[in-house]
Amino acid sequence: DIVMTQTPDSLAASLGERATINCKSSQSVLYSPNNKNCLAWYQKKPGQPPKLLIYWASTRESGVPDRFSGSGSGTDFTLTITSLQAEDVAVYYCQQYYITPITFGQGTRVEIK
Amino acid sequence: QLVESGGGVVQPGRSLRLSCAASGFTFSDYGMHWVRQAPGKGLEWVSFISHDERNTYYVDSVEGRFTVSRDNSKNTLYLQMNSLGVDDTAIYYCAKDRAVTTPRYFDNWGQGTLVTVSS
Repeated sequence: DIVMTQTPDSLAASLGERATINCKSSQSVLYSPNNKNCLAWYQKKPGQPPKLLIYWASTRESGVPDRFSGSGSGTDFTLTITSLQAEDVAVYYCQQYYITPITFGQGTRVEIK
Repeated sequence: QLVESGGGVVQPGRSLRLSCAASGFTFSDYGMHWVRQAPGKGLEWVSFISHDERNTYYVDSVEGRFTVSRDNSKNTLYLQMNSLGVDDTAIYYCAKDRAVTTPRYFDNWGQGTLVTVSS
């Protein structure tokens, strides 16, 4: 199984500041046929289902604010929130879909300082 | 829209069947998943079924105990859960895949249904 490891486990940033979450996979998730990375990011708020933010490592889902961006390739990925807003308080998960079983990172809790 | 049902409290070793009613999209055109979240824990993928039921996948911990199925005529996804254990206690979400036959990522989720396994 591919193990997904997120860092940090939690972070606190001020409103308007940048927040960065890292995700490392135990093996490459680069899909050769389309040269894209099989990596997605989700936002999870209490009492709500997860929400898709990013797929193919850097493609923003329709309707997701452009302050959310994804980057990285191979085994190392980053989710960046460029200007943290109060509504961004949540737990964020990375997920690989290169191979089954699909696996998630353990989650990163984002709070306002 | 995805609406799960069938959760509840069940004793260890017993069975439960979850349902997920889909609307607002062509259900038969997409693969579907079950994902769970145990209390205080992270997300765990459970199972996938392709649009035509030809391909199914499971996480090892439920292989042989859980069976995913779908009825495209009823726009409904199912999860038959047998030999339930306390570790199966979780909120179970159904989720729609963006793809058809290959498990990828989840672009639409239900609100979830809580399964509690307890004596």
